[in-house]
Amino acid sequence: DGGITQSPKYLFRKEGQNVTLSCEQNLNHDAMYWYRQDPGQGLRLIYYSQIVNDFQKGDIAEGYSVSREKKESFPLTVTSAQKNPTAFYLCASSSGLETQYFGPGTRLLVL
Amino acid sequence: GQQVMQIPQYQHVQEGEDFTTYCNSSTTLSNIQWYKQRPGGHPVFLIQLVKSGEVKKQKRLTFQFGEAKKNSSLHITATQTTDVGTYFCAGDAGNMLTFGGGTRLMVKP
Repeated sequence: DGGITQSPKYLFRKEGQNVTLSCEQNLNHDAMYWYRQDPGQGLRLIYYSQIVNDFQKGDIAEGYSVSREKKESFPLTVTSAQKNPTAFYLCASSSGLETQYFGPGTRLLVL
Repeated sequence: GQQVMQIPQYQHVQEGEDFTTYCNSSTTLSNIQWYKQRPGGHPVFLIQLVKSGEVKKQKRLTFQFGEAKKNSSLHITATQTTDVGTYFCAGDAGNMLTFGGGTRLMVKP
């Protein structure tokens, strides 16, 4: 059953803590993306990767980091430098510039 | 860089009324995609338009791509409560898909 998964569904972060959000796809897509969505707002691109071992900053990369060691996986780390991390984080994948398939998202809350 | 704007940001309609959201790009697009995000959910692909002036229909939804390939619209005829959600357009200018800010549709039964 092909798809894109994200975990956890909810994540709580303490002050000064780094947290990592998981994103896995078995669609054999080369490109993967991370978006941030604030309540009632649109999608803002954090990072994207078009190929393994390569990634590019999006519009709001500060305070975030990513890795792309495997085609199937694109984890996002929210570092302590991100001062306002509370948001809904969406991962997506695509074959080139075709349709993006989104995961179910992770809601990050700050304690 | 490329910008994609959507209007309106919000729309309240009575069930049965029509609804339209408009998408405008600062650059000519090779294609445009539309997505729907239900409340609490994630965006789901609806359709892609590629040709200048293209019109596609999905039941009560009509999608148009402008002649200049810089704007697009989504029209819903006779809205239902199941249409509630945020509709996003996403424009491909050849190097990256850029999402509009979305139009949130609320339907009163």
